[in-house]
Amino acid sequence: EDQVTQSPEALRLQEGESSSLNCSYTVSGLRGLFWYRQDPGKGPEFLFTLYSAGEEKEKERLKATLTKKESFLHITAPKPEDSATYLCAVLTQGGSEKLVFGKGTKLTVNP
Amino acid sequence: KAGVTQTPRYLIKTRGQQVTLSCSPISGHRSVSWYQQTPGQGLQFLFEYFSETQRNKGNFPGRFSGRQFSNSRSEMNVSTLELGDSALYLCASSTNRGETQYFGPGTRLLVL
Repeated sequence: EDQVTQSPEALRLQEGESSSLNCSYTVSGLRGLFWYRQDPGKGPEFLFTLYSAGEEKEKERLKATLTKKESFLHITAPKPEDSATYLCAVLTQGGSEKLVFGKGTKLTVNP
Repeated sequence: KAGVTQTPRYLIKTRGQQVTLSCSPISGHRSVSWYQQTPGQGLQFLFEYFSETQRNKGNFPGRFSGRQFSNSRSEMNVSTLELGDSALYLCASSTNRGETQYFGPGTRLLVL
C-alpha cells in the first residue's frame, strides 16, 4: 500500500531559526512529489513539484529536495508568516490518478 | 486567471439528509479531483473526473458520488449523511494526469 509519512508532526521555531521538514514515502512507483502549504480554514496552496531524485526547487525562504525515498523542505531564516501546515503528497504510477497525502507538519514560527 | 471556486463554503445538515457540493475549476483545466479532509485521517482521495468521466475512485462508500459537466464544472453528492461525514471537502483541478493539482478553498460540512 502506498504510504507517505511526514515528520515531525509539529515544529516550533524562533524567527530566523532554520530547519527542515521530512517526507518519506513508500510507493509502487513515483510519478511526482508535491509540497503544499495550508493555512487554517483554507485549501492547500501549491508550493513545489519534484519529479526525479536529485531534483531541487527554491522559492523565497523555501527549498525542496528529493531522493529515492524521501523529500525535505528546508526553511531558511523563517518568519512568522511562514507559520502553516506543510503537506507532502505523492502521485503514483499505474494509471491511478490520485495524490496520496501525508498528515502534514504544523510549523509555528515565533517572533 | 481565477482560481478554483467551491460553493457553498459552509453547510450544516442533519443525519440522513443529502448534500450537493459544487466546484468550478481553473479555466482550461479538465481534470477535477475531490478530497475529504478530517483531523484524524488527513486528506483522502474521493474521486477524479476528466471530460465528464470518472477515471478514479477512492475507498469511500457508494453514498459518495460525483459528476462532471461539459464545461468541466463538477459536483459531488453525499446521501444519507452520517456524523462522520463532517469534514472539509476540497476540490482540485489540473490540466491532465500527472500535472499539478490546484485546490479550492473547500466546503466545510457539519453534520448534526
